[in-house]
Amino acid sequence: QKEVEQNSGPLSVPEGAIASLNCTYSDRVSQSFFWYRQYSGKSPELIMSIYSNGDKEDGRFTAQLNKASQYVSLLIRDSQPSDSATYLCAVLTGRRALTFGSGTRLQVQP
Amino acid sequence: SAVISQKPSRDICQRGTSLTIQCQVDSQVTMMFWYRQQPGQSLTLIATANQGSEATYESGFVIDKFPISRPNLTFSTLTVSNMSPEDSSIYLCSAGTVQETQYFGPGTRLLVL
Repeated sequence: QKEVEQNSGPLSVPEGAIASLNCTYSDRVSQSFFWYRQYSGKSPELIMSIYSNGDKEDGRFTAQLNKASQYVSLLIRDSQPSDSATYLCAVLTGRRALTFGSGTRLQVQP
Repeated sequence: SAVISQKPSRDICQRGTSLTIQCQVDSQVTMMFWYRQQPGQSLTLIATANQGSEATYESGFVIDKFPISRPNLTFSTLTVSNMSPEDSSIYLCSAGTVQETQYFGPGTRLLVL
């Protein structure tokens, strides 16, 4: 079983819709979770971090964490074509490094 | 946030040679890491660069192949030694700041012929 799992996609949504990206993790003691966005040919860019159960909102982005279910999600409201990218879920390990999921490719259709 | 630069941004190398990649952070950071991203894949941690001591390598990565230095809190190097075409990849440096947030450098795109 992979430590961090994501659907590879592509996830296709129309412009203006809500995009929902999901991630599950296997290590129950994990405490810190991150979402990165990666455009083709670029390095990962941090979007959100979340440490506590519940929702955390930042502009059009909302991260949701459920530690009991070992589940993290990212919602993107009012999706724009510029949001088209690969979204990487990352979990902080005991050695303070990141374990990444395989990424979900999001396509926002104009 | 931390601003991270890497040199070189890309290189084409012959098999059997070595390449050293430099990573510079604009502020002192506790943690620095090196990741590899193979074509079409996600990021895999190579090692944690420890300041003043030997790096901590992940399973599947060894010091002889990927020697790492970190002489101070803002600088690290990764060497890819005795390269083969399988080493063609993007190599990324990251720096850990408060609450363990990590920021990434722009990456070094390596092609081994």
